[in-house]
Amino acid sequence: EAGVTQSPTHLIKTRGQQATLRCSPISGHTSVYWYQQALGLGLQFLLWYDEGEERNRGNFPPRFSGRQFPNYSSELNVNALELEDSALYLCASSLVATEAFFGQGTRLTVV
Amino acid sequence: DAKTTQPTSMDCAEGRAANLPCNHSTISGNEYVYWYRQIHSQGPQYIIHGLKNNETNEMASLIITEDRKSSTLILPHATLRDTAVYYCIVRVVSGGSNYKLTFGKGTLLTVNP
Repeated sequence: EAGVTQSPTHLIKTRGQQATLRCSPISGHTSVYWYQQALGLGLQFLLWYDEGEERNRGNFPPRFSGRQFPNYSSELNVNALELEDSALYLCASSLVATEAFFGQGTRLTVV
Repeated sequence: DAKTTQPTSMDCAEGRAANLPCNHSTISGNEYVYWYRQIHSQGPQYIIHGLKNNETNEMASLIITEDRKSSTLILPHATLRDTAVYYCIVRVVSGGSNYKLTFGKGTLLTVNP
């Protein structure tokens, strides 16, 4: 069974541009979580989607947004990129309130 | 979510059991204890979770004290590949609407040859 897949693996953007990160959950999972992990720092919760709806949001500015599609895949958009947005972005999926499984992440570099 | 306290780092000899403690003294009745680990720059890997009974799977054992205020993750025969940051997390799994995982700083376990 395929795990959580994220694309692209690496992404390089210029300050001010927009980045789009994608996540495909494990088949049957309806919840998708997004996390940011800056270099040397812990995992910071960004967003939680379930059944197509945003259920919870971490302490991030509105330029971090996303959506969940009818097939439960998800997209994270980061607008007006800043240098400090450079980080590993991790996606996890689960059935609601069960163990969550993580993908290998997208490494975003803003130059 | 309740806060957890873990040692910053621990060492373990290869082949020996690694016992990683976690304190979660403010845990609520509808919160489970979850353990994840993260090997450098990879996505966190789910290990095990439990409510109040001890749990065991192919990776590890989880021992939760009777008052549920602390727990210990046991890797029975640590290998070099078990070197990672281990996160203890308490998470609502019933009666609520906030099922996110809140990661702390975790314990860096270094398995030495």
